[in-house]
Amino acid sequence: DQQVKQNSPSLSVQEGRISILNCDYTNSMFDYFLWYKKYPAEGPTFLISISSIKDKNEDGRFTVFLNKSAKHLSLHIVPSQPGDSAVYFCAAKGSGGSNYKLTFGKGTLLTVNP
Amino acid sequence: NAGVTQTPKFRILKIGQSMTLQCTQDMNHNYMYWYRQDPGMGLKLIYYSVGAGITDKGEVPNGYNVSRSTTEDFPLRLELAAPSQTSVYFCASSPGRGIGTYEQYFGPGTRLTVT
Repeated sequence: DQQVKQNSPSLSVQEGRISILNCDYTNSMFDYFLWYKKYPAEGPTFLISISSIKDKNEDGRFTVFLNKSAKHLSLHIVPSQPGDSAVYFCAAKGSGGSNYKLTFGKGTLLTVNP
Repeated sequence: NAGVTQTPKFRILKIGQSMTLQCTQDMNHNYMYWYRQDPGMGLKLIYYSVGAGITDKGEVPNGYNVSRSTTEDFPLRLELAAPSQTSVYFCASSPGRGIGTYEQYFGPGTRLTVT
């Protein structure tokens, strides 16, 4: 039972264009969402997060949008750069007693072509 | 700050052998976690700890054990290794309070093969 789903295993975009990575979740108790970036042979690194009380958070080229009614979030990267090529994981945190654990999606491999 | 460090980077085990994966963080984080990542899959939580002396099971704890005697160290023990434990193992830590409370910082991983 996957509670966090990233339905696109891969995405390819041209340098300078927008990359949009999507994530859906099923557990309405999730109250905080994070995006991680992972290069091969390295550990995931934190990218950006959003609380469920917001619908948008922006950090430089990265913006995360949250649509609670649709249980959907997306990560926008503008403009995309070749160095952004990596696997991107969506993660969600539950509220209440389990509020230190994250549930991860399977990841989306982003390739930015020069 | 070195952040989260893991040793070894690679290891090949024979079926039935045991080993300990080491994890150390120098950020004074209260919370620490062990994940495994199988090919094409997300990270699955094995065990976690909310402080020294306190550990609890995650999603996939069978075949593993942990201990947390200090804030810095959170070793993962594999007893009687099985081929199903072939995976990449990541250790992570998070502050548990203040700015970035929920952000987990990951180590570089240990690639384990059991044959």
